[in-house]
Amino acid sequence: EVKLLESGGGLVQPGGSLRLSCVASGFNFANDFMSWVRQAPGKGLEWVSVISGSVRDTYEADSVKGRFTISRDISMNTLYLQMNSLRAEDTAVYYCTRRYSSGWYVENWGQGTLVTVSS
Amino acid sequence: QPVLTQSSSVSASLGSSVKLTCTLSSGHSYHMIAWHQQQPGKAPRYLMNLESSGRYSKGSGVPDRFSGSSSGADRYLTISNLQSEDEADYYCETWDSHSYVFGRGTKVTVL
Repeated sequence: EVKLLESGGGLVQPGGSLRLSCVASGFNFANDFMSWVRQAPGKGLEWVSVISGSVRDTYEADSVKGRFTISRDISMNTLYLQMNSLRAEDTAVYYCTRRYSSGWYVENWGQGTLVTVSS
Repeated sequence: QPVLTQSSSVSASLGSSVKLTCTLSSGHSYHMIAWHQQQPGKAPRYLMNLESSGRYSKGSGVPDRFSGSSSGADRYLTISNLQSEDEADYYCETWDSHSYVFGRGTKVTVL
């Protein structure tokens, strides 16, 4: 059974930083594309960033480019999202997701972790 | 970059059927999509992937009353024998060169 468990969310001031973690189990973490998807309060889903399997290419949405960095530690089966220069509009629940095949659709979702950017 | 268009809400009676539409923008009518369900207060759940041919493949544990179909740029999710637990937001998703997009979601209310 695939399990994705996020942590690291919380309250942070505008301009601050936060690192989210996602521990994965139940599949070959080293080979699969992984991504972060977020959902602002009362809003829809927005893709944030994706990282490939073995090659570890990364891609980001324009809204976070230059501020957020996705990475993974294969030995720890853990996905990360380093978030810098946070803004109020980054307030959202952040979901860790596993993507099918070569980075196609989301096949598995974590339970989410809430990030609140406010002074 | 494709755009996905969904109607905002739909209501239907318990035990009836409802058909949700996700429309791909011009030039992207051949794209595969995925449907996701988000029940109130919960994380989203993957339901199925759906090809332009109408062929679909459901995720593990998705009930038989959920089915997919396609026509041109439109991708459909049909829920038959609507149950109270089907009251949720439904999102479609597609991708292009490692850039991903979701529709704005359709809220299904069970009367």
